[in-house]
Amino acid sequence: KQEVTQIPAALSVPEGENLVLNCSFTDSAIYNLQWFRQDPGKGLTSLLLIQSSQREQTSGRLNASLDKSSGRSTLYIAASQPGDSATYLCAVRADTGFQKLVFGTGTRLLVSP
Amino acid sequence: EPEVTQTPSHQVTQMGQEVILRCVPISNHLYFYWYRQILGQKVEFLVSFYNNEISEKSEIFDDQFSVERPDGSNFTLKIRSTKLEDSAMYFCASSLELAGYNEQFFGPGTRLTVL
Repeated sequence: KQEVTQIPAALSVPEGENLVLNCSFTDSAIYNLQWFRQDPGKGLTSLLLIQSSQREQTSGRLNASLDKSSGRSTLYIAASQPGDSATYLCAVRADTGFQKLVFGTGTRLLVSP
Repeated sequence: EPEVTQTPSHQVTQMGQEVILRCVPISNHLYFYWYRQILGQKVEFLVSFYNNEISEKSEIFDDQFSVERPDGSNFTLKIRSTKLEDSAMYFCASSLELAGYNEQFFGPGTRLTVL
């Protein structure tokens, strides 16, 4: 059964810092991995999707990498801003022909001015 | 930009009552999903739906739950007899599922409170 873990559970940084969020998964037979942002009491906003054949994806100040064989992904946020404060979730889709996403517990990020 | 919408944003119900949560997926998407998130816990998959039938469901999705696409735009989740433990945020999602276009887009959620 796929298990997804995110470390750290919470992170507090001053504005301007570069930071790395980690996601690990136990079954490397994945189809893709998605990173989401969740603001308190709100829905999930898709940030980046990495296909299993890709090593990284970039969108603005965000860069996500994938090492499928070791079961790890990282989300790099450059020059953090207070508006980046949110919970970041990673989710993996198995390479089974089905579409369900298995989510991690998330990393709660606070960027202080 | 197209988005998934959900109504209502918050639903309060008494235990044992039926509730219907509604979603309008992105218009050209082919696959539809329901997930839920109990407060403080992970987002969990409930069910996926394609071509007017369930394609996958989790062990949470028992006989108390059903899904329907009653027309060309709406996608609904019905809970027949709600329990206290059904209190959660319910998210609808959709995806296109053509080669290279399999990102899932989520709605803002419906907060269900069962009293």
